[in-house]
Amino acid sequence: DAKTTQPNSMESNEEEPVHLPCNHSTISGTDYIHWYRQLPSQGPEYVIHGLTSNVNNRMASLAIAEDRKSSTLILHRATLRDAAVYYCILRQVDSGNTPLVFGKGTRLSVIA
Amino acid sequence: GAGVSQSPRYKVAKRGQDVALRCDPISGHVSLFWYQQALGQGPEFLTYFQNEAQLDKSGLPSDRFFAERPEGSVSTLKIQRTQQEDSAVYLCASSLGWGSGNTIYFGEGSWLTVV
Repeated sequence: DAKTTQPNSMESNEEEPVHLPCNHSTISGTDYIHWYRQLPSQGPEYVIHGLTSNVNNRMASLAIAEDRKSSTLILHRATLRDAAVYYCILRQVDSGNTPLVFGKGTRLSVIA
Repeated sequence: GAGVSQSPRYKVAKRGQDVALRCDPISGHVSLFWYQQALGQGPEFLTYFQNEAQLDKSGLPSDRFFAERPEGSVSTLKIQRTQQEDSAVYLCASSLGWGSGNTIYFGEGSWLTVV
């Protein structure tokens, strides 16, 4: 799987939007962009994924650059419960159930 | 609904002791993964099962680590002769089927401390 680059940490105020960036300049045309997050003392949980178009679900939005070399996870209103490590991961389409390859992610702190 | 269940949640082992960590995947999930997560790091892949078949064990750090899933449901990760560097959280995950479009669900992990 191609490599991703994320900031080590970010900080947000509660109830404000948060934009978590991810660079993946070596992404291939068959790579999906997945986001997982890991709350303190929990296992990672799925957030969202996309291929080319922007995606929305109840948890977040995913904005994908036109050249697909970067993407941004958007939390529309951060809450204290969103404090977690956020991982941006690339997975190839039809790669079978190859394992997720985690980097160090971005540690998001939310300030009340 | 039941998620991925792991036991024990916490384990303290003396160096040299053998440990066994259990994973109950979500019912009907075909794929099962084990990860190791050191403090402050992202999870690292250990091994993967498709039903009872262990298709990839490239991440197991040494021959002291062994995983099995004999009936294609519950899995056990066994660590023999534990060493201090084995101290980590061991995460189990499962997914419904084959294909990268399947969401992978993680358990809360088994926290192993070797003293």
